[in-house]
Amino acid sequence: GQNIDQPTEMTATEGAIVQINCTYQTSGFNGLFWYQQHAGEAPTFLSYNVLDGLEEKGRFSSFLSRSKGYSYLLLKELQMKDSASYLCAVMDSNYQLIWGAGTKLIIKP
Amino acid sequence: DGGITQSPKYLFRKEGQNVTLSCEQNLNHDAMYWYRQDPGQGLRLIYYSQIVNDFQKGDIAEGYSVSREKKESFPLTVTSAQKNPTAFYLCASSGLAGSYNEQFFGPGTRLTVL
Repeated sequence: GQNIDQPTEMTATEGAIVQINCTYQTSGFNGLFWYQQHAGEAPTFLSYNVLDGLEEKGRFSSFLSRSKGYSYLLLKELQMKDSASYLCAVMDSNYQLIWGAGTKLIIKP
Repeated sequence: DGGITQSPKYLFRKEGQNVTLSCEQNLNHDAMYWYRQDPGQGLRLIYYSQIVNDFQKGDIAEGYSVSREKKESFPLTVTSAQKNPTAFYLCASSGLAGSYNEQFFGPGTRLTVL
């Protein structure tokens, strides 16, 4: 079966760095997406990785290792507004997105 | 402004009633999707459509129906056959399926069945 694993919840301090991991087992691979979702709102796109390596976009970076079935999202200089759920999703061989359950990130002052 | 709209934001229905959730997009996207989100679970695909007048079942299509008569619109009907319909429903759209295209989401409809 297809499976995406992420930690359920993480806590970090304002101004710090946090890494959210995602491991996957899917039928084929056509890229990995990270989305941010604030409570009660729609997910918004953060990043897309299809090749191994690190993609940096401002305070957020995303890393992919296809051989290990592993990705992480790195958030630097955390702000209170970063409190949200972070969803990992893999596009399978049929170009369908398989979603993880999301990681709820709590930022403390 | 281009985007996806869903209405209403909150919806209450009595058990046994059918209800239709609206989804409209003006992004000129070919593909549209309906997801269900329950607490502690990932998004689960209900139905998707890659082109007008065509749609495919997702992982949890039982108890739901859709139509795609216009490119811009993809309404979802939650029928009385859906055993546990209370959930947060998200509509999304993207460029033509079959290639990399990020999905854009509407604001969601929270359905509560009493």
